[in-house]
Amino acid sequence: DADVTQTPRNRITKTGKRIMLECSQTKGHDRMYWYRQDPGLGLRLIYYSFDVKDINKGEISDGYSVSRQAQAKFSLSLESAIPNQTALYFCATSDLLSVNEQFFGPGTRLTVL
Amino acid sequence: AQSVAQPEDQVNVAEGNPLTVKCTYSVSGNPYLFWYVQYPNRGLQFLLKYITGDNLVKGSYGFEAEFNKSQTSFHLKKPSALVSDSALYFCAVRDAQGQNFVFGPGTRLSVLP
Repeated sequence: DADVTQTPRNRITKTGKRIMLECSQTKGHDRMYWYRQDPGLGLRLIYYSFDVKDINKGEISDGYSVSRQAQAKFSLSLESAIPNQTALYFCATSDLLSVNEQFFGPGTRLTVL
Repeated sequence: AQSVAQPEDQVNVAEGNPLTVKCTYSVSGNPYLFWYVQYPNRGLQFLLKYITGDNLVKGSYGFEAEFNKSQTSFHLKKPSALVSDSALYFCAVRDAQGQNFVFGPGTRLSVLP
């Protein structure tokens, strides 16, 4: 969905390196999310933010941190990457209404060697 | 706590045949239920949702889903499968008071020509 963009799309890095994944959206949504996708496990929530001053841990936040620089931007950092953080990472947005769906970015494939 | 199960890792159907992808859920209170599809190298795309009302919900690309409260199920269906329907399908749930979505592990649908 072009309304939600992620950079980079692919990244290979080494154990111990700090990595930042970026997400931008033009949908005007307040809520933003970071997920990781692993085969057979579906999507697991890492962090979420309901507005610029609101950051919350998700199911699997250990080893990750986030920054909500603006309503439209939400970055995910891996402080010291490890091989089991190799995964597909998705950013998503939604508006305030619980009945409405999320909109996903195209994903970032991260490989940690 | 909310949870979603998709009991089949893989579903194979012949083109032109009807397809069903199964989903069961657990949530306190009234559920909001969603289906998403993921094509290779793409983010998740919204297909349809159940919020309230008619138990049969129609969505994109000819897909529909049937909400069954007594069986806590929300199975995705299509009367006549296309090869282009081959993709990974995710069921997700959110309760009316919940902040976040919970995703199932995904079901890979293969439509054979």
